Amino acid sequence: SQQGEEDPQALSIQEGENATMNCSYKTSINNLQWYRQNSGRGLVHLILIRSNEREKHSGRLRVTLDTSKKSSSLLITASRAADTASYFCATEVKKGIGSRLTFGEGTQLTVNP
Amino acid sequence: DAMVIQNPRYQVTQFGKPVTLSCSQTLNHNVMYWYQQKSSQAPKLLFHYYDKDFNNEADTPDNFQSRRPNTSFCFLDIRSPGLGDAAMYLCATSRVFAGMSNQPQHFGDGTRLSIL
Repeated sequence: SQQGEEDPQALSIQEGENATMNCSYKTSINNLQWYRQNSGRGLVHLILIRSNEREKHSGRLRVTLDTSKKSSSLLITASRAADTASYFCATEVKKGIGSRLTFGEGTQLTVNP
Repeated sequence: DAMVIQNPRYQVTQFGKPVTLSCSQTLNHNVMYWYQQKSSQAPKLLFHYYDKDFNNEADTPDNFQSRRPNTSFCFLDIRSPGLGDAAMYLCATSRVFAGMSNQPQHFGDGTRLSIL
């Protein structure tokens, strides 16, 4: 079973609008992280929310986590054309002496100028 | 700036010809990861090094191997690349304390591998 499923798969909005992306997962987690990936580039970490946290803010980003529903959302407010990218959620679980991230399939966000 | 560097950015190899991708980091992180990412898909963890300890994912093909000669460098070796191995390969690092992370991973820009 896949850990970390996101919806929508693609989202197209106008500059200035808000964008909301959702992520669901299946198992208990240490934390949930959101990453951005511009086309042809590596992933950039945006925000990490621990399993005992419910909401976190960073600039124009707001992340919520509902462990009872095993779901998270990423809200980008006042979007800009530069926010156009793929956004991935990733859940961290303990494995052995370390831990591992499992990524969702991502949401492709297009912000039209 | 401290960072994760992958070389080369683009690699073309022939079917069955061994290829090595490299990753270096200046972050002094103790964990290094290799991911495979196919077009429009999620990154898939192949394996990681926790210090010198190698941790393979159960479904990583035997065709893929890795070396970490020191803290700063990590290599991905593909012994006999097939057409299905064409993908973006991403290296990442993180600092893990006492087996628990709660730290982000830092990614390089990847190497895009093409198989002829």
